[in-house]
Amino acid sequence: GQNIDQPTEMTATEGAIVQINCTYQTSGFNGLFWYQQHAGEAPTFLSYNVLDGLEEKGRFSSFLSRSKGYSYLLLKELQMKDSASYLCACLDSNYQLIWGAGTKLIIKP
Amino acid sequence: DTEVTQTPKHLVMGMTNKKSLKCEQHMGHRAMYWYKQKAKKPPELMFVYSYEKLSINESVPSRFSPECPNSSLLNLHLHALQPEDSALYLCASSQGGAYTEAFFGQGTRLTVV
Repeated sequence: GQNIDQPTEMTATEGAIVQINCTYQTSGFNGLFWYQQHAGEAPTFLSYNVLDGLEEKGRFSSFLSRSKGYSYLLLKELQMKDSASYLCACLDSNYQLIWGAGTKLIIKP
Repeated sequence: DTEVTQTPKHLVMGMTNKKSLKCEQHMGHRAMYWYKQKAKKPPELMFVYSYEKLSINESVPSRFSPECPNSSLLNLHLHALQPEDSALYLCASSQGGAYTEAFFGQGTRLTVV
């Protein structure tokens, strides 16, 4: 079966760094996405990885290891507005997005 | 223009009503999607249109009927819904192919009473 696992909830402090992990098992792999979703709003695209390694985009970075079926999203210099759910999603061999359940990130002052 | 526009933003309907949700994008994307999202859950794929043809239907009840009049528009026709169908309905579009970043609309918050 297809499965994507990520922690249900994480808490971090404003100004700190947090790493959200995602492990996946899918039928084929055509890339991994991270989306941010604030409560009651639509998901917004953060990053896409298809090759191994780290992609950096401002305060956010995303890492992929295809051999380990593993990715993480790294958020630096946390701000209160970063409180949201972070969704990991994989493209399978049919180019369908398989979604993780999301990680709710709570930022404390 | 990197927007996917959905209307209405909120909809309350009775179980005997017929209503439609609308979605529009002008990014030239050839794949459009309907997702259903319940609170604190990830989006669940309902339908995929690729080049205006229904390519994926995830065994959605027939009370949900999708329509793709052209490459920029996607509708979801609703009829005889149940209270458990209350959810956020998200439309998304993507170019398709190897890199398919999906752009999401803001969603329609549907309440069935």
